[in-house]
Amino acid sequence: NAGVTQTPKFRILKIGQSMTLQCTQDMNHNYMYWYRQDPGMGLKLIYYSVGAGITDKGEVPNGYNVSRSTTEDFPLRLELAAPSQTSVYFCASSFLDRAQPQHFGDGTRLSIL
Amino acid sequence: GQQVMQIPQYQHVQEGEDFTTYCNSSTTLSNIQWYKQRPGGHPVFLIQLVKSGEVKKQKRLTFQFGEAKKNSSLHITATQTTDVGTYFCAGDPQGAQKLVFGQGTRLTINP
Repeated sequence: NAGVTQTPKFRILKIGQSMTLQCTQDMNHNYMYWYRQDPGMGLKLIYYSVGAGITDKGEVPNGYNVSRSTTEDFPLRLELAAPSQTSVYFCASSFLDRAQPQHFGDGTRLSIL
Repeated sequence: GQQVMQIPQYQHVQEGEDFTTYCNSSTTLSNIQWYKQRPGGHPVFLIQLVKSGEVKKQKRLTFQFGEAKKNSSLHITATQTTDVGTYFCAGDPQGAQKLVFGQGTRLTINP
């Protein structure tokens, strides 16, 4: 099994550009999450989803949007990229509920210049 | 809000020395989980503790959950260079049904 797959692995954006970070999981997990991790810092929850069609905000949702049309996919969209969004983005998933162990993807390293 | 505090933020040791990181919560936790993130990598789940006073071992790693279920520790005996990374705890504040991550302890090792 591939687990949680994120694409792209690296990306450089210009200020004001938009992009979508892709995340897919093949473990049939209902719960999916997007985190950002700034250099040397911990994980901050951006958005999460408890199942197809249901999403909710985390700690730092401003500047981002998500959708969950299928169980497998949970893309994260940046509409107007800003330098403050330079970070490493991790997608994760868990089974049964939000308190269960999370499986993380390899991350997307995003720089906005 | 519900917070999980982790100390120390950084720890540098000589190879072969022991290492401990501590996790403290202001509220009782239903469970505590530990993750390891290698430099440039992603967090990887190590273990989950759910019972008051629980102790679990994985080779040189010992995990403890406090009697009051408000604190936890990870102890590494005789560190090796492969132990380098950031160790995160994550707790489920009782009734919240979510994970709150600590800020992590970054471990560096002098070979």
